[in-house]
Amino acid sequence: EAGVTQSPTHLIKTRGQQATLRCSPISGHTSVYWYQQALGLGLQFLLWYDEGEERNRGNFPPRFSGRQFPNYSSELNVNALELEDSALYLCASSLGVVGETQYFGPGTRLLVL
Amino acid sequence: DQQVKQNSPSLSVQEGRISILNCDYTNSMFDYFLWYKKYPAEGPTFLISISSIKDKNEDGRFTVFLNKSAKHLSLHIVPSQPGDSAVYFCAAIARGGGADGLTFGKGTHLIIQP
Repeated sequence: EAGVTQSPTHLIKTRGQQATLRCSPISGHTSVYWYQQALGLGLQFLLWYDEGEERNRGNFPPRFSGRQFPNYSSELNVNALELEDSALYLCASSLGVVGETQYFGPGTRLLVL
Repeated sequence: DQQVKQNSPSLSVQEGRISILNCDYTNSMFDYFLWYKKYPAEGPTFLISISSIKDKNEDGRFTVFLNKSAKHLSLHIVPSQPGDSAVYFCAAIARGGGADGLTFGKGTHLIIQP
């Protein structure tokens, strides 16, 4: 069974640009979560999508947004990139039940210059 | 305000011995706890979890202990193997509380010495 996949693996952008990151969940999983792992800050919860809707978001500004498609894949968009957005962005999926174990993808490394 | 704390940034253990990784939490609403293992340049891999209604859960070499009164959990790895060298993250969630994503600790880097 295929795990969570993310693309691209690496992304280099300049300040002010927009970045789009993609995630495909495990087959059968309806919930997708996005996390940011910035240097020294650990994993921080960004967004949670389930059944196509945003269910919750962490303490991040509105320029972090996303969506979930009918096939449950998801996009994370980061607008007006800042240098401190450089981080590893991880996507996780779970069955659409609160608290079910989340399984992570390999991540997208975003570098903002 | 860190709700999940892993106070040891690193831990070195000899191969074959027991590794004990510790985690403390402050939010009494957390009712489900997980441990993840992470290698460099990879996403976290789920290891083991425990519900707040239990005090112990075992899966092979991995055992997680939960002390609710102390708001403390620990992961025991016995015996430790070289492939266990990785960063271990403790995570928690309040399943009954309108659900956020997982709240993670900052991780403990476990180094298994041959």
